[in-house]
Amino acid sequence: GIQVEQSPPDLILQEGANSTLRCNFSDSVNNLQWFHQNPWGQLINLFYIPSGTKQNGRLSATTVATERYSLLYISSSQTTDSGVYFCAVERPPGGGNKLTFGTGTQLKVEL
Amino acid sequence: DAGITQSPRHKVTETGTPVTLRCHQTENHRYMYWYRQDPGHGLRLIHYSYGVKDTDKGEVSDGYSVSRSKTEDFLLTLESATSSQTSVYFCAITARLSETQYFGPGTRLLVL
Repeated sequence: GIQVEQSPPDLILQEGANSTLRCNFSDSVNNLQWFHQNPWGQLINLFYIPSGTKQNGRLSATTVATERYSLLYISSSQTTDSGVYFCAVERPPGGGNKLTFGTGTQLKVEL
Repeated sequence: DAGITQSPRHKVTETGTPVTLRCHQTENHRYMYWYRQDPGHGLRLIHYSYGVKDTDKGEVSDGYSVSRSKTEDFLLTLESATSSQTSVYFCAITARLSETQYFGPGTRLLVL
């Protein structure tokens, strides 16, 4: 099956700092999503981004499908950004949204 | 939150007993999924459903069965629970008009 690798595995930031999280995948995909799991365990969808760039407030994401990676940018980080960030993909032909997840990046934002 | 609830939210059971977890959604979504989350593995797909009585296996389906007799309910059954099935179980749906996937709050299962 497809391999999804995320880096770094752990990250500690001071509040206000910027960061970039990376997701590499081993094969072509037609579906890529980023999720945030907060410290209480809830999973929240951040982006559906199989290609291109999207922005939502302080978060933005870019997927370069031809080079098999995606980046999640967090600007002006806040303590509420703490948690685990997951990248998840689906291979073609897809349909059905059956996702393969990476093992995540654990982010801690400190005051 | 896409109207997804899971029950129970926490369960402790003994090895060899059957366990059924329920996922309920209120917004008539076609696709539903069960994942398990374990340290070091992220989330892994157990089973999924395309619609009523239409289900298929995911990556880690051994030891699990599912049923979907109504659009709103997707049941995950552990026929004979084992300690390796201790995990956090998440239900998810795909929204009708996009590929975005939304998750329920999770069920924490401990098999002793």
